[in-house]
Amino acid sequence: DAGITQSPRHKVTETGTPVTLRCHQTENHRYMYWYRQDPGHGLRLIHYSYGVKDTDKGEVSDGYSVSRSKTEDFLLTLESATSSQTSVYFCAISGGEETQYFGPGTRLLVL
Amino acid sequence: GEDVEQSLFLSVREGDSSVINCTYTDSSSTYLYWYKQEPGAGLQLLTYIFSNMDMKQDQRLTVLLNKKDKHLSLRIADTQTGDSAIYFCAVKVTGGGNKLTFGTGTQLKVEL
Repeated sequence: DAGITQSPRHKVTETGTPVTLRCHQTENHRYMYWYRQDPGHGLRLIHYSYGVKDTDKGEVSDGYSVSRSKTEDFLLTLESATSSQTSVYFCAISGGEETQYFGPGTRLLVL
Repeated sequence: GEDVEQSLFLSVREGDSSVINCTYTDSSSTYLYWYKQEPGAGLQLLTYIFSNMDMKQDQRLTVLLNKKDKHLSLRIADTQTGDSAIYFCAVKVTGGGNKLTFGTGTQLKVEL
């Protein structure tokens, strides 16, 4: 399995609080991605990174920000969590032409 | 942008073959993938096919690609209860970022 970990694995928070999810890889892959998975929508790309300090928006980026200060870590921040951000969040990594490999996911519940 | 569609559910009997279908819109897609997701887990890459291929076989899995109709299918031979999962079709998006567009997933249920 690709060396990807996500933390925390589960989180419950309240509306309006900031939340940061962490993705850590040991593969030294260039690309990293954050997705959210919701019933009926499959996986939707939130943000992705193509290198240290290089990030770009995906199709559902509103309300989310990301940072990548080093190759191995990609952080996803919800500045002020809303109930619509209750979801399962997946991180993925890719070395380039090859496919993406996924982490185990983080279940986030916003009350 | 790319649009990828799958049927939501498929139910088969153990030992039968399963065929999961996927359609996509971008004819210039280069790589097409099948992922499997078991309950509570992340996505696991099952197989992929490059766009210049029509078929790829890997043990019990057969992938068929019809580029003219933009149709991709995954056949699982001798389906077992352990194959019960959600199966996602994904298509590599043209342009930068090595991005993928995913279908909504097909829930495969294998009955005894």
